[in-house]
Amino acid sequence: AQTVTQSQPEMSVQEAETVTLSCTYDTSESDYYLFWYKQPPSRQMILVIRQEAYKQQNATENRFSVNFQKAAKSFSLKISDSQLGDAAMYFCAYRSAYGTGTASKLTFGTGTRLQVTL
Amino acid sequence: KAGVTQTPRYLIKTRGQQVTLSCSPISGHRSVSWYQQTPGQGLQFLFEYFSETQRNKGNFPGRFSGRQFSNSRSEMNVSTLELGDSALYLCASSLGTETTREQYFGPGTRLTVT
Repeated sequence: AQTVTQSQPEMSVQEAETVTLSCTYDTSESDYYLFWYKQPPSRQMILVIRQEAYKQQNATENRFSVNFQKAAKSFSLKISDSQLGDAAMYFCAYRSAYGTGTASKLTFGTGTRLQVTL
Repeated sequence: KAGVTQTPRYLIKTRGQQVTLSCSPISGHRSVSWYQQTPGQGLQFLFEYFSETQRNKGNFPGRFSGRQFSNSRSEMNVSTLELGDSALYLCASSLGTETTREQYFGPGTRLTVT
């Protein structure tokens, strides 16, 4: 079974600064997808960024980028120019690329609470 | 395009009762997944439905069940509620095809069991 580990329960960053959230995962599969989801106080889970394991290029979405190290099974999220609206819980998630049934399941890490200060 | 909707948003039930939660996916999405979120266990996968068939199931007791209708709307049911069932229940929808199964979440239903 796959596992996802987020070792930072809480992080803090000043507005306009850069912060990196860590995520490691364990899997025996070679093809899979990795995601970062944001959950603000409203509890609505919002997809921030996704990465396909077969792509070597790191995904980027505006101020959000990832550092995907497949061999090390590491998938960190970098938020540049942090804004007050970035304050939320951030979850790293894994999804298999195989099959039709089990592939639908997202396995989440325990989350990192990000505080953004003035 | 309207997002995933879940009803009700908040629910208070008593131990031993049963509850039904509803999820309406994004128009055109045929797959609906359910997750339970608690402070202690985090986010855990309950089950997924595609074209009215359960396609995958997480490690939850048989008290947790679900179904999907022909319009892709889904319901989940919890019978004989226990205090530990208090949680945020999240529903996510996706197209359900092999290559485009990005999941979009609803706002959740907060269930409190007393």
